[in-house]
Amino acid sequence: DQQVKQNSPSLSVQEGRISILNCDYTNSMFDYFLWYKKYPAEGPTFLISISSIKDKNEDGRFTVFLNKSAKHLSLHIVPSQPGDSAVYFCAASDALETSGSRLTFGEGTQLTVNP
Amino acid sequence: EPEVTQTPSHQVTQMGQEVILRCVPISNHLYFYWYRQILGQKVEFLVSFYNNEISEKSEIFDDQFSVERPDGSNFTLKIRSTKLEDSAMYFCASSDSGYGYTFGSGTRLTVV
Repeated sequence: DQQVKQNSPSLSVQEGRISILNCDYTNSMFDYFLWYKKYPAEGPTFLISISSIKDKNEDGRFTVFLNKSAKHLSLHIVPSQPGDSAVYFCAASDALETSGSRLTFGEGTQLTVNP
Repeated sequence: EPEVTQTPSHQVTQMGQEVILRCVPISNHLYFYWYRQILGQKVEFLVSFYNNEISEKSEIFDDQFSVERPDGSNFTLKIRSTKLEDSAMYFCASSDSGYGYTFGSGTRLTVV
């Protein structure tokens, strides 16, 4: 099942710089996308989401961009902080608003922010 | 901030034994879920539960799995006869309208 794919297993950036995490999807029925952060021995923590009717959503240091024609989304973190070091998961759903349906996750990208 | 609580944090069980994983969702949430993550693999959907019945389940959720909401607060996942390949982190989640999707910290199940 490769409906949601994060091609970079890891990313390393310097503190204060921008982190860009990428995600691609194949299912054109997906209409809601979410980013989660996960620390070891903890569950995924919601970060930010975007509906397919938008192309950008911003929340503080986090911005998610959606390119529907390319079936691509990205998460920008700026400025990056050492506390941002975690695994970041992209997830997608095709009916979240109405039926609380399943999330389909990507493989995750390990972000390391170096001081 | 409201939390989804899962117990135990780690469960070791013999192959073939039954195991029950417990979850207390956020109190005003209506949708409940179980996901799992086998070591090194993706987080995978198992089942969703709404209005006291299963609303959706994945191919993984076969006859060995069942879910129950025995009272107004708990949500359980039972595996009847565990297999080695059931070893994974199991995450419970709950949501209100579907957007407020909150995960618990997980139960690490080790089948030996």
